[in-house]
Amino acid sequence: GDSVTQMEGPVTLSEEAFLTINCTYTATGYPSLFWYVQYPGEGLQLLLKATKADDKGSNKGFEATYRKETTSFHLEKGSVQVSDSAVYFCALDRGNQFYFGTGTSLTVIP
Amino acid sequence: NAGVTQTPKFQVLKTGQSMTLQCAQDMNHEYMSWYRQDPGMGLRLIHYSVGAGITDQGEVPNGYNVSRSTTEDFPLRLLSAAPSQTSVYFCASSPGFAGELFFGEGSRLTVL
Repeated sequence: GDSVTQMEGPVTLSEEAFLTINCTYTATGYPSLFWYVQYPGEGLQLLLKATKADDKGSNKGFEATYRKETTSFHLEKGSVQVSDSAVYFCALDRGNQFYFGTGTSLTVIP
Repeated sequence: NAGVTQTPKFQVLKTGQSMTLQCAQDMNHEYMSWYRQDPGMGLRLIHYSVGAGITDQGEVPNGYNVSRSTTEDFPLRLLSAAPSQTSVYFCASSPGFAGELFFGEGSRLTVL
């Protein structure tokens, strides 16, 4: 069945460090891929998405490229800020059902 | 701009009690869904609906009932609560296929 696997956390980085959170997926066909972010005490909100192979989603300095050959959608940011501290979820969409990864907690320290 | 509204935000139940988690959206979205979030397990789909009068099961439907009588509302019912249903519940809506999910703020349920 369809599934998403993302790197275990928690991740702790110093401000201005480079961030990578790995995400791989298992699915037939060409699902849409998403990164959602959850700030403390809040619901999830969309960070970025890509709907077909080789698409790059980007938002707020975060980027992820839909790689069909490696079935990956890794999240990157060149310089993290304290305000980026949150839990990040990779997800794929199969029309009526979203499949989420387990989430990766990021803490950025000044 | 309310978006997706969930009530209550917190609830404590005793085993065997029943309750309804309310979810309402004001974006005229056809698709609505319920997830539960548990530590180390991410979000898992409980039930979803693609329009008024249409519901279907997700990954973990046992112990939960839903109905969709209007486009705006999608309540989740626990008929006989169990400690295994202690979790944070999120309602989400979407305008349609491959669309962004819009989440409520969550409802934290504890079953003693």
